[in-house]
Amino acid sequence: GAGVSQSPRYKVAKRGQDVALRCDPISGHVSLFWYQQALGQGPEFLTYFQNEAQLDKSGLPSDRFFAERPEGSVSTLKIQRTQQEDSAVYLCASSLGSGTANSPLHFGNGTRLTVT
Amino acid sequence: AQSVAQPEDQVNVAEGNPLTVKCTYSVSGNPYLFWYVQYPNRGLQFLLKYITGDNLVKGSYGFEAEFNKSQTSFHLKKPSALVSDSALYFCAVRDKGGNNRLAFGKGNQVVVIP
Repeated sequence: GAGVSQSPRYKVAKRGQDVALRCDPISGHVSLFWYQQALGQGPEFLTYFQNEAQLDKSGLPSDRFFAERPEGSVSTLKIQRTQQEDSAVYLCASSLGSGTANSPLHFGNGTRLTVT
Repeated sequence: AQSVAQPEDQVNVAEGNPLTVKCTYSVSGNPYLFWYVQYPNRGLQFLLKYITGDNLVKGSYGFEAEFNKSQTSFHLKKPSALVSDSALYFCAVRDKGGNNRLAFGKGNQVVVIP
């Protein structure tokens, strides 16, 4: 069956440009997460949605980062005025149900963002 | 806040030998613990989890992990490593009484030598 799909797989942006990263979760999955994975590091939490509600955005590193999930399925992570330190792999994950504490996350293959 | 420590950067093991990847955790309450594996240019794949009950949990591809509450550890093990097990392994923890945030360790590169 279809897993979590992310697009684009690779994105090169010039410093100062805006980018939008897309995530298609597994159909029917209520919970959706965004993580940032820097080179050689583990994923770092950015934000969490339950359906269309953004319940936790405490991991977003600055107000240049914005995420939405308007219809409770597809999500977009937007980064405005990109900086070199934004270069990383951005991972999207979904899980079934709203009580997700003991449910494993299903990850997409990520979007590798390089800011030049 | 929850956190995970994976003390070794790289684990080298000969094919057919036992494999152990270490993980210790810190949470304010009781933990949910997970192991994920990542192959190059891919997302993370779920291996196994500890929720409650038996301290020894079995997962995919012959992997298992043992929860040790007194040592706050959740080491990943495999009795006989395969070359195809070479990958990046991440331990992760959630606080049962806390938020839905999953905290990951920095990962361990496992290299299985033929």
